[in-house]
Amino acid sequence: EDQVTQSPEALRLQEGESSSLNCSYTVSGLRGLFWYRQDPGKGPEFLFTLYSAGEEKEKERLKATLTKKESFLHITAPKPEDSATYLCAVRDSNSGYALNFGKGTSLLVTP
Amino acid sequence: GAVVSQHPSRVICKSGTSVKIECRSLDFQATTMFWYRQFPKQSLMLMATSNEGSKATYEQGVEKDKFLINHASLTLSTLTVTSAHPEDSSFYICSARDRRGVPDTQYFGPGTRLTVL
Repeated sequence: EDQVTQSPEALRLQEGESSSLNCSYTVSGLRGLFWYRQDPGKGPEFLFTLYSAGEEKEKERLKATLTKKESFLHITAPKPEDSATYLCAVRDSNSGYALNFGKGTSLLVTP
Repeated sequence: GAVVSQHPSRVICKSGTSVKIECRSLDFQATTMFWYRQFPKQSLMLMATSNEGSKATYEQGVEKDKFLINHASLTLSTLTVTSAHPEDSSFYICSARDRRGVPDTQYFGPGTRLTVL
């Protein structure tokens, strides 16, 4: 059965303290790994799509990387406005276009 | 990125009534839309896949007669919660598949908070 596991569940950082979030996955055939940001009471906001091992994407303080088993979301010098829940989702060859989401990492960045 | 809207953003209804939620893709055509449900501090759970012009595909355990989905145009899908009960209270989120990128990407609406009294 396909699985998506995110760690840690929660992370507290001080402003400027860089760190990484992990998303490990087991799928029959990866058709895309997606990172979203979700603020409380809002829908997920698209961040990145990664498609093949070795691929990297960057946006401001965020950088996403992909291997055959996991993805990392690196946050460099975070600011309080980066506080949110970060969701990882995968699409595989058996699920059509549906996404299988992990439980997310709740990030809090304090001043 | 593409824009997806949902209406209403919040609804409170009495037990036994039906509630319709609209999901629109504003700047692209979406042949496929998805409906998710999210409980507090939980991740998104896919309820059904909505295909324009055909019947929706429901996930295991989701009642088709309870959650009616209609995808009548390339920019609009609706979810109707029929005979709502307090246990149906949840955060419902739709997404729309944007085929213009490779791979294509799902963009999410802002969500609808349903409270059934």
